[in-house]
Amino acid sequence: EVQLLESGGRLVRPGGSLRLSCGASGITFAAFGMSWVRQAPGKGLEWVSGISETGHSTYYADSVKDRFTISRDNSKNTLYLQMRSLRVEDTATYYCAKAMSGSVVVVPPGSDTPQSLTVANTFDYWGQGTLVTVSS
Amino acid sequence: DIQMTQSPSSLSASVGDRVIITCRASQSVGHYVNWYQQKPGKAPKLLIYLTSSLQSGVPLRFSGTGSGTDFTLAISSLQPEDFGTYYCQQTYSTLLTFGQGTRLEIK
Repeated sequence: EVQLLESGGRLVRPGGSLRLSCGASGITFAAFGMSWVRQAPGKGLEWVSGISETGHSTYYADSVKDRFTISRDNSKNTLYLQMRSLRVEDTATYYCAKAMSGSVVVVPPGSDTPQSLTVANTFDYWGQGTLVTVSS
Repeated sequence: DIQMTQSPSSLSASVGDRVIITCRASQSVGHYVNWYQQKPGKAPKLLIYLTSSLQSGVPLRFSGTGSGTDFTLAISSLQPEDFGTYYCQQTYSTLLTFGQGTRLEIK
């Protein structure tokens, strides 16, 4: 059974720092890209950051670029999110999400031609989330 | 960034109804659209990926179609357990974005 377990969320003052962790089990962690997705209270989903299987490639939403750093330790099956210069608007539940791997051959609607499309940023497993509250 | 706009923002429907949720991208995203369902207090659940591929274990009453900028999620015969909020997501760009969500209530 795939399990993703986030930790590290807590109350922090504006301008402060925090590191979130996500431990994975039931998967070959090093074979999958991972992401962090957040949800402010009562709001929708916002993708925050993603990392490739090896950790060599990282991606960030504009809202967190230069403040947050995503990383992973494949020997520990753990994903991290280092958050600095936290703002009130960073208050949210932070989910870690596992991406599917590779490509899938599909016949898109309206077409009879099979296509090979990547599923690399499709999230098939999510953790339960950890709450980060930024407030003075 | 690619913006994803869903409509309606909320809807109320009866058991057995056919429900349609639409998602429009601010630029072409090919077939790189996924749909998720989220229930209150829970993590999102993948329903459909690459526009129309049903995730394992998802009931056949869910389907997706579209291409380019316009996409739809359909529920053929609404069931009581289908309440929740539905999100589309584009994976065409490495800067991933979600729609704002459609809240589905069962009458």
